[in-house]
Amino acid sequence: AQSVTQLGSHVSVSEGALVLLRCNYSSSVPPYLFWYVQYPNQGLQLLLKYTTGATLVKGINGFEAEFKKSETSFHLTKPSAHMSDAAEYFCAVRNAGNMLTFGGGTRLMVKP
Amino acid sequence: ETGVTQSPTHLIKTRGQQVTLRCSSQSGHNTVSWYQQALGQGPQFIFQYYREEENGRGNFPPRFSGLQFPNYSSELNVNALELDDSALYLCASSKVGQVEETQYFGPGTRLLVL
Repeated sequence: AQSVTQLGSHVSVSEGALVLLRCNYSSSVPPYLFWYVQYPNQGLQLLLKYTTGATLVKGINGFEAEFKKSETSFHLTKPSAHMSDAAEYFCAVRNAGNMLTFGGGTRLMVKP
Repeated sequence: ETGVTQSPTHLIKTRGQQVTLRCSSQSGHNTVSWYQQALGQGPQFIFQYYREEENGRGNFPPRFSGLQFPNYSSELNVNALELDDSALYLCASSKVGQVEETQYFGPGTRLLVL
């Protein structure tokens, strides 16, 4: 069975600093991996996804993530944080039946 | 392109009651999945519907049931509500046949059980 672990339930960065949100997965098959963002009192918005091909994927709002099979990781990064990036971020892995398994989420706080 | 919509946005029920939540899928999508997100946690898969039939189920009891209609919209029904059913219920639609079958989420229905 697939599972996802997000290290750090809360991450705080200063505006303009690097954002790094960690995600490790376990999967018995080649994984499809996703990052979603959730703003307060809203649903989930797709940030980016890895299916096959290039291991560095670019998403919306300047975010990108790199799939590292040897490390079973799919960490999310952004070179320069903006106040509007403050939100909850969820990493997810898709199983063969198209069910998504989510991590527990990481709340990103951006300090001015 | 119309996104995923859900209704109602908020709902308050008492323990033991029944509730129905509704979801309209994104244009062109034929599969609907439902997730429960308890406060401070990640979403958990409830079930998925494709061609009007349940196509996968997570670890939820039978009092959680659903329907999918010919226009691909869907309902989530919960009977005999319990306090722990208080959560944000998210609907996601996708299209079988696309390689990635990416799921796109609606805004959710927040259910409070008193």
